[in-house]
Amino acid sequence: SQQGEEDPQALSIQEGENATMNCSYKTSINNLQWYRQNSGRGLVHLILIRSNEREKHSGRLRVTLDTSKKSSSLLITASRAADTASYFCARDNTDKLIFGTGTRLQVFP
Amino acid sequence: EAGVTQFPSHSVIEKGQTVTLRCDPISGHDNLYWYRRVMGKEIKFLLHFVKESKQDESGMPNNRFLAERTGGTYSTLKVQPAELEDSGVYFCASSQEMGAGEKLFFGSGTQLSVL
Repeated sequence: SQQGEEDPQALSIQEGENATMNCSYKTSINNLQWYRQNSGRGLVHLILIRSNEREKHSGRLRVTLDTSKKSSSLLITASRAADTASYFCARDNTDKLIFGTGTRLQVFP
Repeated sequence: EAGVTQFPSHSVIEKGQTVTLRCDPISGHDNLYWYRRVMGKEIKFLLHFVKESKQDESGMPNNRFLAERTGGTYSTLKVQPAELEDSGVYFCASSQEMGAGEKLFFGSGTQLSVL
């Protein structure tokens, strides 16, 4: 399969804790994106990291990329109940994005 | 600016019936994509339009699925006849440009249930 894989499949934490989600893929990439999906809503773009970058920050989000291991991680620091959602990584494939299976994050107040 | 809109938000049909999903992309976005997520699995690519042309339809499951984008504006995805395994959430997304680094704007999806 060309799809990526996220792990864990589900993650439950308390507000204030950090949440780390991992993504692995099988083929080379130009860039990798992370998206969030709130229940019943569409996916929303969070952050993009290019293949020549190793780390990127955006607010409470930190993304790392290890092209030698074909993996990326998304760290959400100081989580809030509003961060409860599913998170997907997506790698580019010429003219389309290939998404993974997602991590379902639950943040308890 | 209006986002990507999809209609209907939910559809419940019986096996063998026909269903048509509609997507209105963001105005000016030439690229339109259809994706599907089945029961917590990966979000799977179905096809990609550039204006009214099908750029890539490699993800379409079979010939029961027909996508159109007449005039390069809104798109429809018809399933005829629907089967049980077609149940899932169908997402539409659009983007202005095509290529690496372009982010997608998604609609809220159509939840299709085939009974």
